[in-house]
Amino acid sequence: QSALTQPPSASGSPGHSVTISCTGASSDVGGFQYVSWYQQHPGKAPKLMIYEVSKRPSGVPDRFSGSKSANTASLTVSGLQAEDEADYYCTSSAGGNTLLFGGGTKLTVL
Amino acid sequence: QVQLQESGPGLVKPSQTLSLTCTVSGGSISSGGYYWSWFRQHTGEGLEWIGYIYNSGSTYYNPSLKSRVTISVDTFKNQCSLKVTSVTDADTAMYYCAGQIMVPHSAAFDVWGQGTMVTVSS
Repeated sequence: QSALTQPPSASGSPGHSVTISCTGASSDVGGFQYVSWYQQHPGKAPKLMIYEVSKRPSGVPDRFSGSKSANTASLTVSGLQAEDEADYYCTSSAGGNTLLFGGGTKLTVL
Repeated sequence: QVQLQESGPGLVKPSQTLSLTCTVSGGSISSGGYYWSWFRQHTGEGLEWIGYIYNSGSTYYNPSLKSRVTISVDTFKNQCSLKVTSVTDADTAMYYCAGQIMVPHSAAFDVWGQGTMVTVSS
């Protein structure tokens, strides 16, 4: 199993939008509606931001949205705020009840 | 509100077994539909899924770790445990337990412990 591919970094100005991609294969991202996104601030545990491609857990701002096209999933953060600066990880089911992670994207709010 | 707390030795000798416990509070570990999972993160690197257990006792592991990992649940103690055998330096990492509480059957985990650092060294 290969890890999902994310850009190592992304950036945007406050109030603007940024999209982070997560590319896999038909055996994982493309084959399941089980893509999730986690936010992790330095020294903290990950926090679930998006599950099942586009659903938001209770308490997650609607500035965070998810989508998927073929083998690539995306996380969009709109109306960027300083507190959005963090690492973001995507995961996907990969068959056989296994999970794959992306390498993570460091989001910088300029 | 379900909360998780990892515990265990912070230092393990090479070739020995790493054993960690995740104590669940605010809810029952055996409540229907819950998945409990372990993850780890090497310093400065990304997250790695280790495995998870469904409340029926079914376990699923990362193929790269499967031969050395066991995840179990103790319903009496309301705990989930992780064992990793034959550890090496490569097992030095922050270990997190997580639960799938409000997002059932989603392959996502919405409740996380704070993590516990494990160092493998003689």
